[in-house]
Amino acid sequence: QSALSQPASVSGSPGQSITISCTGTNSDVGGYNYVSWYQQEPGKAPKLMIFEVSNRPSGVSNRFSGSKSGNTASLTISGLQAEDEADYYCSSYRINSIVVFGGGTKLTVL
Amino acid sequence: QVQLQESGPGLVKPSQTLSLTCNVSGGSIRSSGYFWTWFRQHPGKGLEWIGYIYYSGSTYYNPSLNNLVTISVDTSKNQFSLNLRSVTAADTAVYYCARGDEVGNWFDPWGQGTLVTVSS
Repeated sequence: QSALSQPASVSGSPGQSITISCTGTNSDVGGYNYVSWYQQEPGKAPKLMIFEVSNRPSGVSNRFSGSKSGNTASLTISGLQAEDEADYYCSSYRINSIVVFGGGTKLTVL
Repeated sequence: QVQLQESGPGLVKPSQTLSLTCNVSGGSIRSSGYFWTWFRQHPGKGLEWIGYIYYSGSTYYNPSLNNLVTISVDTSKNQFSLNLRSVTAADTAVYYCARGDEVGNWFDPWGQGTLVTVSS
């Protein structure tokens, strides 16, 4: 069982927006602005999409955005495209220099 | 840009030690502000943080693996290594190395990953 809770799957049609939630505790998501999101395509390494809750690395589309409220962080993808279909993982720093992950969410573009 | 590449045996026998190395190219492992990190992903499962090391040798490990894991760094070779002792079939996974910031906030880039199977 993963430390952070994510929905197992979400889906949306091209052009729509979807949001993936990531719920933790006061010791991780709620206690620090150190939440990141990763996209993982089948057979490939994870790719950083969002860091520090809402910052995008250079080269990541502005269709990807992040936010946080209390112990829940969220990743929103707007203007869904077929290429966005992948697994998405949230990660957070946890007290005592520990890193925790969510179980991952499979995004299907219908 | 910085690139990472894992290397090591793809097959390890139960009870033995799994040893992997991550070679860092395009940048110095001595760069301040970065933790050099190991993760794994069991087949069909999510990501698991194993631990990280600073170039000075400071380490932090996943408490669930703490007494079985050692991460070390060789600055002369610009690489860092993972040793996981007393492996079982449950340690079969794809192992990734990555560069992390000094807080454990983000990890980028990642190596391509290497599958390690534990089997007799």
